[in-house]
Amino acid sequence: DAGVIQSPRHEVTEMGQEVTLRCKPISGHDYLFWYRQTMMRGLELLIYFNNNVPIDDSGMPEDRFSAKMPNASFSTLKIQPSEPRDSAVYFCATSIQGEHSSGNTIYFGEGSWLTVV
Amino acid sequence: AQKITQTQPGMFVQEKEAVTLDCTYDTSDQSYGLFWYKQPSSGEMIFLIYQGSYDEQNATEGRYSLNFQKARKSANLVISASQLGDSAMYFCAMREGLNVNEKLTFGTGTRLTIIP
Repeated sequence: DAGVIQSPRHEVTEMGQEVTLRCKPISGHDYLFWYRQTMMRGLELLIYFNNNVPIDDSGMPEDRFSAKMPNASFSTLKIQPSEPRDSAVYFCATSIQGEHSSGNTIYFGEGSWLTVV
Repeated sequence: AQKITQTQPGMFVQEKEAVTLDCTYDTSDQSYGLFWYKQPSSGEMIFLIYQGSYDEQNATEGRYSLNFQKARKSANLVISASQLGDSAMYFCAMREGLNVNEKLTFGTGTRLTIIP
């Protein structure tokens, strides 16, 4: 089975440019999470969706960040305008509410490495 | 207070030896889950093992086992017969509650280096 697929894997952009990160979840997973990883703050949850609906966006740092999930197989995280402090690895992760014995494990994509110069 | 504490920023271990990566957690919930993830240099986060707070036996997955000591609030990862490919960052994480919509909190990680 295909895992969580993210694109692009690497992006270098200039300050002020719009950045769009994309995610295709594991088929059948009804939860989708966007995380950001930096050296200073570690892994932070930005936002998560359930059945394509945004549930908790309290981790989104600023209005410059927005996320959408137009359907069950696609989500985007957009930064507009981008700033150097947005440089980080952005992970998409998905899960399915199932048996507690499985831990409702969250499966991560390979990440999108963003550098804003 | 930190919810997840990993006290070993880095470890060096000889190939084929067993490794224990420490993780302590802090929660007042009775229902919670503990996870370990591996992050190799390529960057992806790979799920390794899960332990639920009500699980009476320690979780095992191949060469990975979780030494769960509930009273001490520790969930150490044990890797048996270490291999060069085990060199990576390892993150312990906790979910307070058992539902997938409840937040996963990560520790700061331990960088494991396996020496040939």
